[in-house]
Amino acid sequence: GAVVSQHPSWVICKSGTSVKIECRSLDFQATTMFWYRQFPKQSLMLMATSNEGSKATYEQGVEKDKFLINHASLTLSTLTVTSAHPEDSSFYICSARVAGGAEAFFGQGTRLTVV
Amino acid sequence: SQKIEQNSEALNIQEGKTATLTCNYTNYSPAYLQWYRQDPGRGPVFLLLIRENEKEKRKERLKVTFDTTLKQSLFHITASQPADSATYLCALPGYSSASKIIFGSGTRLSIRP
Repeated sequence: GAVVSQHPSWVICKSGTSVKIECRSLDFQATTMFWYRQFPKQSLMLMATSNEGSKATYEQGVEKDKFLINHASLTLSTLTVTSAHPEDSSFYICSARVAGGAEAFFGQGTRLTVV
Repeated sequence: SQKIEQNSEALNIQEGKTATLTCNYTNYSPAYLQWYRQDPGRGPVFLLLIRENEKEKRKERLKVTFDTTLKQSLFHITASQPADSATYLCALPGYSSASKIIFGSGTRLSIRP
């Protein structure tokens, strides 16, 4: 299957700083990628749809100025958590689909801890 | 609004038995339904997709059924093994945009030896 790589796998940052998470499709091109957030023992909540060459589409309740998404190429999307606070601590996961496919391929996730 | 419910938060069964997980959805008629497996601290991994015109799909020890009248999917693991222990997620294409995938709350399955 297709491979999606996410980096870093974990990060600890101080409150008030910004953190960037990268999501790469390694062996296919992805015009669309998706960013999810997962709290402990809860399911994945879709945060936003990242669109190559255009603005991301955010789900209701997700602050676009806090979670900046950039999809500058067909293989890379980035999520920047700006002015992070402890409540932003969570597991962030990206996914992408091969063109025409229904199956989603996920990155390994990024555990963000804000102290 | 679109709702996906997996009725058991956790399921514990004996090795060798068949595990059956349930996914119910409302306010929607999806073209297909998917099941994923997620291990702790990892991203989900795709297992099976079943389309609205298919009643049943099998893959090795896995079997999925799809009842569009009941708006329900059942996910079975036969001859369960401790290595099958994980969280299993039901997923549907988004109501407002089919390119999105929306997940159910998941069922944590534990297989005891």
